[in-house]
Amino acid sequence: NAGVTQTPKFRVLKTGQSMTLLCAQDMNHEYMYWYRQDPGMGLRLIHYSVGEGTTAKGEVPDGYNVSRLKKQNFLLGLESAAPSQTSVYFCASNFGGQDGGYTFGSGTRLTVV
Amino acid sequence: DQQVKQNSPSLSVQEGRISILNCDYTNSMFDYFLWYKKYPAEGPTFLISISSIKDKNEDGRFTVFLNKSAKHLSLHIVPSQPGDSAVYFCANVDSWGKLQFGAGTQVVVTP
Repeated sequence: NAGVTQTPKFRVLKTGQSMTLLCAQDMNHEYMYWYRQDPGMGLRLIHYSVGEGTTAKGEVPDGYNVSRLKKQNFLLGLESAAPSQTSVYFCASNFGGQDGGYTFGSGTRLTVV
Repeated sequence: DQQVKQNSPSLSVQEGRISILNCDYTNSMFDYFLWYKKYPAEGPTFLISISSIKDKNEDGRFTVFLNKSAKHLSLHIVPSQPGDSAVYFCANVDSWGKLQFGAGTQVVVTP
């Protein structure tokens, strides 16, 4: 099925461990985004990319790094996980318009203990 | 500073009646406002949008109203159905396609 695929779906990390979340889209979208969702706060933008090889910071970028080496993939890295990074992470992609053509993945639930 | 606010965390409505969800914003510079629907363990899915140059947009059972002078938008669902039970987010979008979401409203449609 066409869309946005996130791996893994669930993960438990110990404080200080590192991991990479993978987002893959097969719609040839230029723009890709990483959001986190926390209770009572909606979704907040971590980092985004407007094309292959480009990345930019969003609203809450601290503690995260990203890479967009290939157009279809957008990786989110946690170098040293902290309990404050316990959240549900969503990846989204968009062709570049503003009127709603965003596709979200099903999310990665990350718990840092 | 949250620029998009949904002040009602939850809404319960009877099947067949109207659901009205509200959203306030502070920054008038955005071109589009969007509504997303989210079921548990799934990503948000796009529902309906409205351009800042319009005051109403309708798509089937869903209508979004924009009141620019009040910096307020609302989503009407008529008639409400059990499958509408979900969390609804309003969002604005900037020229880079970055979405800024409200905190969401949990809608429960009862029989």
